[in-house]
Amino acid sequence: SQQGEEDPQALSIQEGENATMNCSYKTSINNLQWYRQNSGRGLVHLILIRSNEREKHSGRLRVTLDTSKKSSSLLITASRAADTASYFCATDHGYSGGGADGLTFGKGTHLIIQP
Amino acid sequence: KAGVTQTPRYLIKTRGQQVTLSCSPISGHRSVSWYQQTPGQGLQFLFEYFSETQRNKGNFPGRFSGRQFSNSRSEMNVSTLELGDSALYLCASSLVGPDSSSKQYFGPGTRLTVT
Repeated sequence: SQQGEEDPQALSIQEGENATMNCSYKTSINNLQWYRQNSGRGLVHLILIRSNEREKHSGRLRVTLDTSKKSSSLLITASRAADTASYFCATDHGYSGGGADGLTFGKGTHLIIQP
Repeated sequence: KAGVTQTPRYLIKTRGQQVTLSCSPISGHRSVSWYQQTPGQGLQFLFEYFSETQRNKGNFPGRFSGRQFSNSRSEMNVSTLELGDSALYLCASSLVGPDSSSKQYFGPGTRLTVT
């Protein structure tokens, strides 16, 4: 079942601007991950933030996690045309012996960077 | 290291047939997960194998099955194909132990079309 929900569903900005995507989830997590997918291809892992972390940086990416609100945000600074892709958050709830857990993905935010 | 490879990349089948998809994980990765991606349902977890054992299974009918070999390579099988099985099937491997979580490395996917 879908648990992470990204917002907005689609976002179009000018190159050089910052892009912010949000993700909400319903039940407690071990960690939350962000992935990028280019046009129907495989997903590429961007960043992982554990439940006891509040903020993490990786290059032009900044991720925040608020476990009290069950939400996360991904900020891409100084966007480039090559950042055009779909971005997914995925929640990891751990393995609960016999449970149907794996990574639970949202439906993604489609980001378009206008040159 | 070579990435996750999936074969075939594209496949067209007829309703009622069965299909087998293959996935070779990154060398040293013992966990292999399978996901189905469709425009309507997004990314959904199918199952995960670790050391030749299915650890977790998503909410899919019994027509969907899989296995993992001693070299960690994995196959998934879908029997009695239905039109709704048309999707991008993604395989992901990760370097985890039985009680830890980790980021996943995705293959390029197999695009299955059922006619």
